[in-house]
Amino acid sequence: AQSVTQPDIHITVSEGASLELRCNYSYGATPYLFWYVQSPGQGLQLLLKYFSGDTLVQGIKGFEAEFKRSQSSFNLRKPSVHWSDAAEYFCAVGPTGRRALTFGSGTRLQVQP
Amino acid sequence: DAGVIQSPRHEVTEMGQEVTLRCKPISGHDYLFWYRQTMMRGLELLIYFNNNVPIDDSGMPEDRFSAKMPNASFSTLKIQPSEPRDSAVYFCASSVQGAPHTGELFFGEGSRLTVL
Repeated sequence: AQSVTQPDIHITVSEGASLELRCNYSYGATPYLFWYVQSPGQGLQLLLKYFSGDTLVQGIKGFEAEFKRSQSSFNLRKPSVHWSDAAEYFCAVGPTGRRALTFGSGTRLQVQP
Repeated sequence: DAGVIQSPRHEVTEMGQEVTLRCKPISGHDYLFWYRQTMMRGLELLIYFNNNVPIDDSGMPEDRFSAKMPNASFSTLKIQPSEPRDSAVYFCASSVQGAPHTGELFFGEGSRLTVL
C-alpha cells in the first residue's frame, strides 16, 4: 500500500529565508506526486505535481519540488519565503487503482518577520 | 469557473442529531471524493464515486455514515446519529480522468462539523 511521510510537523523560518519541506513516499510503481497548501479555514490548493519527465517541477507562488527516485523523496522548496506562505503543506501520492490520493500528515509552516 | 461548492461551511449540532453535508463538484468531473480532516488522523478518505457510482467506501467509519450521489452535480454525506467524535472538517473534492489533470483533486472549502 502506498504511504506518505512528512517528518516535520512544524517548521518556523524567517521571512526571506529559504525553505525546504520534506516528503518521503512508499509506492509500488512510478508515483504521481503532489504538493498541496492549506491556509487556515480554507480547502487545499494544488501547488505543483509530478507525473514523469523532468524531475524538477515548478509550481505556483514560486515553489518547486524535486523528485528523487533513489531516495523516494519529493521535497518542496522555495528560495525566499514570504509571510503569506504561512500555512499547512501536504504531500500526496497516487492515484492508485482506487483513484484517490494518499496524503501525508502535513507540515505547518510559520514565518517570522 | 466555479470550484467545488460545499454546504454548510459550519455546522454545530447536538449528539444524536442527523447531519447532512452537501457537495457540488466541478462540472464535467467524473470523480467525487469525501475526505475527513482531524488533528489526530489528518486527511482520511471516506468514500469516492465514479460517474455517480460508489467505488470504494472502505474508509467510512461505521454504519452511521452514508453517502449518496444521485446525479453528476450533487452528493451528500450523512451522519445519523452524530457523535462528538465525528467533529471534524469534511472536504469534498472532484477530479477528471485524463491529462492534464490526471490524479489532481480539486477541493471545496470544507464543512466544519462540531457535535456537542
